[in-house]
Amino acid sequence: DAKTTQPTSMDCAEGRAANLPCNHSTISGNEYVYWYRQIHSQGPQYIIHGLKNNETNEMASLIITEDRKSSTLILPHATLRDTAVYYCIVRGPGNAGNMLTFGGGTRLMVKP
Amino acid sequence: DGGITQSPKYLFRKEGQNVTLSCEQNLNHDAMYWYRQDPGQGLRLIYYSQIVNDFQKGDIAEGYSVSREKKESFPLTVTSAQKNPTAFYLCASSSDRGLFGYTFGSGTRLTVV
Repeated sequence: DAKTTQPTSMDCAEGRAANLPCNHSTISGNEYVYWYRQIHSQGPQYIIHGLKNNETNEMASLIITEDRKSSTLILPHATLRDTAVYYCIVRGPGNAGNMLTFGGGTRLMVKP
Repeated sequence: DGGITQSPKYLFRKEGQNVTLSCEQNLNHDAMYWYRQDPGQGLRLIYYSQIVNDFQKGDIAEGYSVSREKKESFPLTVTSAQKNPTAFYLCASSSDRGLFGYTFGSGTRLTVV
C-alpha cells in the first residue's frame, strides 16, 4: 500500500473550516484514500473514503487532486469535539487481509 | 445496536502472567483485527482473521496469540513472552472486503506491573 505523509499537528479556531492535508504520491490506480480520527483514549472512527472523485458526507468532505497524489479532509465548521488525531490511509481493495496501516496522523487542536 | 465490544476497559496484571483480552462483535463481519497503540504513536497490527478458524500474523505478533472459534469473537492473549505488554489494545472488524472501513471497539488499556 502507498505510504502517506501528514503534518504532525495543526490548530484550528472553533467555527472555522479545518483543512487537513495528506500526501500520497505513490498511490496506485486502484487504491482508495481513507480518513479516520481518534479522540483521546477511544477507538478510531471512520470518517470518509474516496477513489478519485470528491466525496462528502455528514461529517466531512474529501478533496482528491486530479493526479491523486494528495488529498485534503475538510471539516467545514470545526467544534471543540473535533479535537483528535486524524489518520490518512491509502489502501487497495482486496489486499492481503484488507489491512489498514495507521501512521502517526495529524493531531488537530480546535481552539475556542 | 450493532457494534464491537472490548472488555475490560482497564486491566492490570503482574509481570509474567498471561492475560486474555475480549473482543465481541454483532455486526456479522467476517474479518477481525487486533492493533496495539503506544502513547503518542499510531496503531500497529498484531493479528487478523478473515474467516472463522483462520488467522494471520500482523507486524508485531511475537508474544501474542489469538483464536477465532466463532465469527463473533476474536480474543487476544498477551503472553509472558511479550517483552513490553503495557499498551492500549484495539480490536476492529470489517466486512469481507472492508471497502467501507473498519469498526473499532473502545479499547482495553493493559498495564503490567
